[in-house]
Amino acid sequence: DQQVKQNSPSLSVQEGRISILNCDYTNSMFDYFLWYKKYPAEGPTFLISISSIKDKNEDGRFTVFLNKSAKHLSLHIVPSQPGDSAVYFCAASATSYGGSQGNLIFGKGTKLSVKP
Amino acid sequence: DAGVTQSPTHLIKTRGQHVTLRCSPISGHKSVSWYQQVLGQGPQFIFQYYEKEERGRGNFPDRFSARQFPNYSSELNVNALLLGDSALYLCASSLQLRGPYEQYFGPGTRLTVT
Repeated sequence: DQQVKQNSPSLSVQEGRISILNCDYTNSMFDYFLWYKKYPAEGPTFLISISSIKDKNEDGRFTVFLNKSAKHLSLHIVPSQPGDSAVYFCAASATSYGGSQGNLIFGKGTKLSVKP
Repeated sequence: DAGVTQSPTHLIKTRGQHVTLRCSPISGHKSVSWYQQVLGQGPQFIFQYYEKEERGRGNFPDRFSARQFPNYSSELNVNALLLGDSALYLCASSLQLRGPYEQYFGPGTRLTVT
């Protein structure tokens, strides 16, 4: 049973427009969420994170929104650039609970294509 | 500063063989985690080591083992390889054992089992 779900395998947007990537989770113990970007033949690169005590975190063109009641988070990229084309992974962690030891649970990823 | 490094980058093994993958964390990072990523899936947690002790284990068979050395580098060992072990094996390092924290990934080792 997938605890972190990214239901859109792919997304295509025009350069300059907003990209919105979505992620849903089922485990109520998750309290820390991260987004990673992955290019082919490279490891995932950390983008942005958010703690469950917040509902928004911004870093430049990237903003992550967290809706705890809906168990949903989203990554907004504004404006989108061709270099943003990659696979984006949502990940979650139950950092406050010793049993999980803080390991990351990943979704399957969404492939973003930004067209010039 | 150097990021997380992994060796080798690619590896081809035969079923039943054994493989050792190596990882060097970012300088100052004491926690190392291993993940397996098969095609079309997100990375799946295998192990976490901190201060040379196993601190977490994912749902993988006992054929998978790991260790961490005094310099915080780590090895992942897989015995009796199966075709299904073909995957990208990722190593990630972080400053702390418990969060919130970010994990920084290496480029991975692509293992092909024939």
